[in-house]
Amino acid sequence: EAQVTQNPRYLITVTGKKLTVTCSQNMNHEYMSWYRQDPGLGLRQIYYSMNVEVTDKGDVPEGYKVSRKEKRNFPLILESPSPNQTSLYFCASSLGTSGGLTGELFFGEGSRLTVL
Amino acid sequence: SQELEQSPQSLIVQEGKNLTINCTSSKTLYGLYWYKQKYGEGLIFLMMLQKGGEEKSHEKITAKLDEKKQQSSLHITASQPSHAGIYLCGAAWNTNAGKSTFGDGTTLTVKP
Repeated sequence: EAQVTQNPRYLITVTGKKLTVTCSQNMNHEYMSWYRQDPGLGLRQIYYSMNVEVTDKGDVPEGYKVSRKEKRNFPLILESPSPNQTSLYFCASSLGTSGGLTGELFFGEGSRLTVL
Repeated sequence: SQELEQSPQSLIVQEGKNLTINCTSSKTLYGLYWYKQKYGEGLIFLMMLQKGGEEKSHEKITAKLDEKKQQSSLHITASQPSHAGIYLCGAAWNTNAGKSTFGDGTTLTVKP
C-alpha cells in the first residue's frame, strides 16, 4: 500500500532532550516536506527536500534539522526541544515539482509531540 | 497564513444544503490546492487548480480558480455528514517551487 509513515505517532518529552521523528515513503517520491500544525496558526512548512541531498528551509525552520540521505527517508531532528515546539507534525511527499508545482501531496498520519 | 485567507473559519450546515468556502491570495497564484483533513489526521488531496477559470470536480465537491480575484472557491452540493472536516487551501507561488503555504482551514460541520 502506498503510504507515508511517521514515527512516533505520539511522544511526550522534556526540554533539551534530542529527538528524531522519522518519515518514510514507499512511492519513490522525489519531493518530501515537513509541516507543523498549531491551533490558530494553521499548517506551516518547516523544511522540504526536492531530492536526495537537497534540502531547504520552509517558513519556520528554527530549532529543527533535516537530512535526506536516501530517497525514501526524511527525518526531522529536534536537537534541543523546547515547549514552543509542542505541536502536531506532518510529513508529506509528492512525485516531484513540475512547472513550479509540487502536485498532489501525500501526508502521513501525523506525530503529536509534547515538550514539557 | 496572512498570504492565504480562508473564509469562513467555520461553517455549520444542515445535511442536504449547499455551501461555499473561499480562499483568497494576497499574491499572484501559480497554482492552488484543496485538501480535506479529519481532525488530528493527515490531509487528503482533493484537487489542484492551475489556470484561471479552471474548474474541477471531485464527487459532489467543485472548485474554481478566479485568476482576476486571486481567489478560489470550493462548493459542496447537497452536503452529507461524510463531508464534515477541515478544508484547507494550499498555494504555490511563482517564486520557489518547493515552498508551500496553506490557509488556516475552514471547519465544516454537517448536521444530520
